[in-house]
Amino acid sequence: GQNIDQPTEMTATEGAIVQINCTYQTSGFNGLFWYQQHAGEAPTFLSYNVLDGLEEKGRFSSFLSRSKGYSYLLLKELQMKDSASYLCAVMDSNYQLIWGAGTKLII
Amino acid sequence: ETGVTQTPRHLVMGMTNKKSLKCEQHLGHNAMYWYKQSAKKPLELMFVYSLEERVENNSVPSRFSPECPNSSHLFLHLHTLQPEDSALYLCASSQDFSSGGYEQYFGPGTRLTVT
Repeated sequence: GQNIDQPTEMTATEGAIVQINCTYQTSGFNGLFWYQQHAGEAPTFLSYNVLDGLEEKGRFSSFLSRSKGYSYLLLKELQMKDSASYLCAVMDSNYQLIWGAGTKLII
Repeated sequence: ETGVTQTPRHLVMGMTNKKSLKCEQHLGHNAMYWYKQSAKKPLELMFVYSLEERVENNSVPSRFSPECPNSSHLFLHLHTLQPEDSALYLCASSQDFSSGGYEQYFGPGTRLTVT
């Protein structure tokens, strides 16, 4: 079966750095996505990784290792507005997104 | 503003009612999606339309019926729902992956409560 695992909840302090991990087992791989979802709002796109390595975008970075089925989202210089759920999703061989349950980040 | 709107934002309905959820995208995308989001569970993909044709129906009960009259509009018709159908229903749109698109843009969702 297809499975995406990420921690349910994490707590961090303002100004700190936090790393949210995601492991996956899917039928095929066409990229991994991270989305941010504030309570009561729509998920918004953060990053897309299809090749191994680190993608940096301002305070947020996303890393992918396809051989290990592993990704992480790194958030630096945390701000109160970063309190949200972070959703990991993998695009499978049918180009459909398989979603994790999300990690609630509390600042 | 994400360019994807959904109405209504909140809906309370009895198990014998019939209602419809509406989604509209203003982004020129050619694929639209319905998702169900329940507390502490992964997003569940319900239906996918690409170029107005349904390409995915993930074993969704027949009490949910989608309709895509054109590439900008998507409906979810609801009838004889069960209390366990109470959830946040999210609509999303994207460019079809074969067209080079991948990022999905989500609407704010409809919070559905079935009594």
